[in-house]
Amino acid sequence: GAVVSQHPSRVICKSGTSVKIECRSLDFQATTMFWYRQFPKQSLMLMATSNEGSKATYEQGVEKDKFLINHASLTLSTLTVTSAHPEDSSFYICSARDPSGTATGELFFGEGSRLTVL
Amino acid sequence: AQKVTQAQTEISVVEKEDVTLDCVYETRDTTYYLFWYKQPPSGELVFLIRRNSFDEQNEISGRYSWNFQKSTSSFNFTITASQVVDSAVYFCALSEAGYGGSQGNLIFGKGTKLSVKP
Repeated sequence: GAVVSQHPSRVICKSGTSVKIECRSLDFQATTMFWYRQFPKQSLMLMATSNEGSKATYEQGVEKDKFLINHASLTLSTLTVTSAHPEDSSFYICSARDPSGTATGELFFGEGSRLTVL
Repeated sequence: AQKVTQAQTEISVVEKEDVTLDCVYETRDTTYYLFWYKQPPSGELVFLIRRNSFDEQNEISGRYSWNFQKSTSSFNFTITASQVVDSAVYFCALSEAGYGGSQGNLIFGKGTKLSVKP
């Protein structure tokens, strides 16, 4: 089946630094990827939709300048948390849609990246 | 508006018991997809099942079974003869059918934490 890989799986950084998380589709080309955020013991909330070659679409309440998304190729989307603060600590998960299953809306998820900001 | 409700926040059972996880959804679309995902303690999301809105046939896969009832907008998940390895958070999710943009992203319920004790 389709595989989506995220890196890094865990990252600890100091407050004020920026952190980049990568999401790669390993065996298919993904024109659209999604970034979710999950707070402890809570559900996944969609942050933004990443479109290859164009600007990401952010959900209401998500700061575009805080969470920079770049989808430069059909297999890679990156999420950069800029000037991270402790409240940005969370579990970030990306997903990608396999075009061969586009009509079904099936998504494949990365392993997730746990960000801890000290 | 789309919404997924998982009323059970936590369930605890003893191994070999059967357990049903409830999921109720809301959507105005006539075509949509329902999903169940498992999230073990390690954090990654494991796809369990996808069901489209036109297929109300119940499905059984090993110890897992799903009961889709459009009349009550429910998509319940039953684990038969539960095992300790079934301990995880289970998410029910809803997706509109369609192409491009944010269509196809998932709306997740808040999840049900299942603990299976030996």
